[in-house]
Amino acid sequence: EADIYQTPRYLVIGTGKKITLECSQTMGHDKMYWYQQDPGMELHLIHYSYGVNSTEKGDLSSESTVSRIRTEHFPLTLESARPSHTSQYLCASSEYRGSPTNEKLFFGSGTQLSVL
Amino acid sequence: KQEVTQIPAALSVPEGENLVLNCSFTDSAIYNLQWFRQDPGKGLTSLLLIQSSQREQTSGRLNASLDKSSGRSTLYIAASQPGDSATYLCAVRENNNDMRFGAGTRLTVKP
Repeated sequence: EADIYQTPRYLVIGTGKKITLECSQTMGHDKMYWYQQDPGMELHLIHYSYGVNSTEKGDLSSESTVSRIRTEHFPLTLESARPSHTSQYLCASSEYRGSPTNEKLFFGSGTQLSVL
Repeated sequence: KQEVTQIPAALSVPEGENLVLNCSFTDSAIYNLQWFRQDPGKGLTSLLLIQSSQREQTSGRLNASLDKSSGRSTLYIAASQPGDSATYLCAVRENNNDMRFGAGTRLTVKP
């Protein structure tokens, strides 16, 4: 089964700090995603990538940036954290197998970020 | 814009009961629908994926159905157990390849 690793699991930091949330997958998937989720709410896409050197912004306006230098690694960086960034951040990946009808999304365990 | 709705937002049942969770979507132009389970503070675990041409998928005590024309999917859980307590989310993959998620149904199975 799929393996996606997110670190750290929990992070509490002060306002103005620069942080990087790590995400790695061992499945060789081309597509990777970052979602933001608040309690009891639906997931919102903030960034995605179709492969190495590909990054796109999602629906949700975000002050974060991402990079995709290696297939397996898709880190998300906040240059200056604010209390409004407090949320759960979920990394996901999917493999395109010739048709989007069987494209399946796999998730990591998430990072719960609290900005004081 | 595609909207995905899950009703009810929360459900509590006694152990052993069979139950149905509902998911509706407004635009039937989808590639597939995926059901997930989420435990508190954790990521999403994929349960079942139904392709747009399929009517149902089964895995153990879980059975998911899809009626694309009416914009509905159901997740049937047989003989519920306390370990089934979690939030269940559905998501559709639209024809532009975007994924749209519902807000989930929080299920509690009482011993």
